[in-house]
Amino acid sequence: EDKVVQSPLSLVVHEGDTVTLNCSYEVTNFRSLLWYKQEKKAPTFLFMLTSSGIEKKSGRLSSILDKKELFSILNITATQTGDSAVYLCAVENAGGTSYGKLTFGQGTILTVHP
Amino acid sequence: DTGVSQDPRHKITKRGQNVTFRCDPISEHNRLYWYRQTLGQGPEFLTYFQNEAQLEKSRLLSDRFSAERPKGSFSTLEIQRTEQGDSAMYLCASSSGAGFYNSPLHFGNGTRLTVT
Repeated sequence: EDKVVQSPLSLVVHEGDTVTLNCSYEVTNFRSLLWYKQEKKAPTFLFMLTSSGIEKKSGRLSSILDKKELFSILNITATQTGDSAVYLCAVENAGGTSYGKLTFGQGTILTVHP
Repeated sequence: DTGVSQDPRHKITKRGQNVTFRCDPISEHNRLYWYRQTLGQGPEFLTYFQNEAQLEKSRLLSDRFSAERPKGSFSTLEIQRTEQGDSAMYLCASSSGAGFYNSPLHFGNGTRLTVT
C-alpha cells in the first residue's frame, strides 16, 4: 500500500523565517509527487515533480524531489502570515488504469506569526 | 469563476437519511475524482471517472456510496443510510489527461457533511 509521511506535523515561525517541510514516500509505481496548500477550503496546487534533482520554483516557494531516497522537500523563504496553512504532499501511482489516484500525507500545519 | 464547483457547501443530516452531493468540474477536464477528508488528515481517494466511465473505486467506498457522471460532465455522489462515521469533507477534483499524461488535480471547496 502506498504511503506518505510528512514532517514536522506542525511548525510555528515568525515572519521572515525560512522553513523546510519534508515528505517521504513509498509507492509501488511512481508517477509524480505533488504539493498542495490548504487553507480553510480546497487544496490549491503548488508543484508537480516527476524528475529527480530538478528544482521547481514559484516566488518564495521551491521544491525538489529525490527519487533515489524517496523524499521531497518544500522550502518557503521570507515567510509571511499569508503562508499560514496546511501543506499537503501526495504521490501518484502509475499502476493500473487510474490516473490522479493520489495518496496524501497527513499534512504539515504551518503557522506564521507577525 | 471557472474552478471546480461543489454543492451544497454544508449538509447536516440525521443518521439513516440519504444525501446527494453535486460536483461541476472545470469544463475542459475529462477526469473527475471524489476524495474524502476528515479532520487532521489528508484527503483519501474514493473514486475516479474518465469521461462518463467510473474506472476505479476505493475499498473505502462501501455499498452505501454510489457515484455517477452522466454524459461525462457533472458528477453526483450519493450516500444512503448515512452513519455518523460518514461525517467528513467530501472533495471533488478534476484534471485533463490523455493516455499516460495527467494534469495536476484541481480541487473544489468541498461539501462538509455532518451526520447527527
